[in-house]
Amino acid sequence: AQSVTQLDSQVPVFEEAPVELRCNYSSSVSVYLFWYVQYPNQGLQLLLKYLSGSTLVKGINGFEAEFNKSQTSFHLRKPSVHISDTAEYFCAVSDRGATNKLIFGTGTLLAVQP
Amino acid sequence: DAGITQSPRHKVTETGTPVTLRCHQTENHRYMYWYRQDPGHGLRLIHYSYGVKDTDKGEVSDGYSVSRSKTEDFLLTLESATSSQTSVYFCAISESQGAGNSPLHFGNGTRLTVT
Repeated sequence: AQSVTQLDSQVPVFEEAPVELRCNYSSSVSVYLFWYVQYPNQGLQLLLKYLSGSTLVKGINGFEAEFNKSQTSFHLRKPSVHISDTAEYFCAVSDRGATNKLIFGTGTLLAVQP
Repeated sequence: DAGITQSPRHKVTETGTPVTLRCHQTENHRYMYWYRQDPGHGLRLIHYSYGVKDTDKGEVSDGYSVSRSKTEDFLLTLESATSSQTSVYFCAISESQGAGNSPLHFGNGTRLTVT
């Protein structure tokens, strides 16, 4: 079974500053990894995903994440945030079998301040 | 945005009453899912469907049932609502089974309050 840990429930940051949202996972098998973003009163949208290959994955809105197998991490980064990036961010994991049942972390609220 | 409509968007109901939430999709995707979102828990899978009349349980299925009589509709029923089922419910769809090739697309959610 897989599990996902997002240690930071909230991350306050000033506009134009860099940010890193942390995600660690646990699994006994190879996994796919995802970051989803949820804007207020909306559903989740896929930000980026890691399937295989390059460990640095680029997503929408200038976000990127790096897969680190030895540390079982998939941290999300952005070099310069905007007010519009204020949202909740969810890390998720799925096994590589024939399922699409994602296990989600508890989410990190990114609060960008002017 | 994927064509997913959840109804109602908001509902307040009393303990012990039955409640049905509807998810309607226009994408003709085979796979549909119901998640609930609660503070401190993220999203947890309730039930999912892999085709018409084909459903299976997720990690938090107790107290919930589902039905899928048409490709486009996936219903979630709380037979006798309890306060612990107060939550935001999200429907999601995917074209194929593998998460790697077919990411989930989510609806905008239904906020359910059980008093």
